[in-house]
Amino acid sequence: EAQVTQNPRYLITVTGKKLTVTCSQNMNHEYMSWYRQDPGLGLRQIYYSMNVEVTDKGDVPEGYKVSRKEKRNFPLILESPSPNQTSLYFCASSLGVGFQETQYFGPGTRLLVL
Amino acid sequence: AQSVTQLDSHVSVSEGTPVLLRCNYSSSYSPSLFWYVQHPNKGLQLLLKYTSAATLVKGINGFEAEFKKSETSFHLTKPSAHMSDAAEYFCVVSGASGYSTLTFGKGTMLLVSP
Repeated sequence: EAQVTQNPRYLITVTGKKLTVTCSQNMNHEYMSWYRQDPGLGLRQIYYSMNVEVTDKGDVPEGYKVSRKEKRNFPLILESPSPNQTSLYFCASSLGVGFQETQYFGPGTRLLVL
Repeated sequence: AQSVTQLDSHVSVSEGTPVLLRCNYSSSYSPSLFWYVQHPNKGLQLLLKYTSAATLVKGINGFEAEFKKSETSFHLTKPSAHMSDAAEYFCVVSGASGYSTLTFGKGTMLLVSP
């Protein structure tokens, strides 16, 4: 089944403890992206990648890192999480990088930073 | 630059009555426009998209949207609401960067009463 998977789905952590949220797609998509969703703000893009080893900042990149060493994986890294990073995170991918492409979303990861 | 304004944060309808969710966009380019739906505790699902072909776009589950360039609008409609339509709906624009970078509206919660 074609899909975007994220792990973990739920995570509770403490301030300053490094964590990684994994994202994987099995559709051979070029473009991958991370978003965070906060009440009343919709989804905002954190980072995106147009291919292996090609990543760039989105609208809210502060406090996050990403890497794209393989085409299928795009992990999101929080080196020193803070409470303001408590949010619902979505990974997405699309076949191509053009603006008409449809992005497919993972199921989301709910993160609570204490 | 691009932006999206969803004119209503909440819309309440009765089952069997029409649905109208309003969206205005701003873009310096000829954009692609999308509507995504998010059911409670679920990921995002694409309802429909406009990519400069027909201005009236039909999507899944009986939804459709009309692209009106003169009004910079992309309103979502459905002739008859069903209880299962209760969800949050996001209007999304893409195109400013030429790449698959999405800008989300803040969402409209659709409430359907029996």
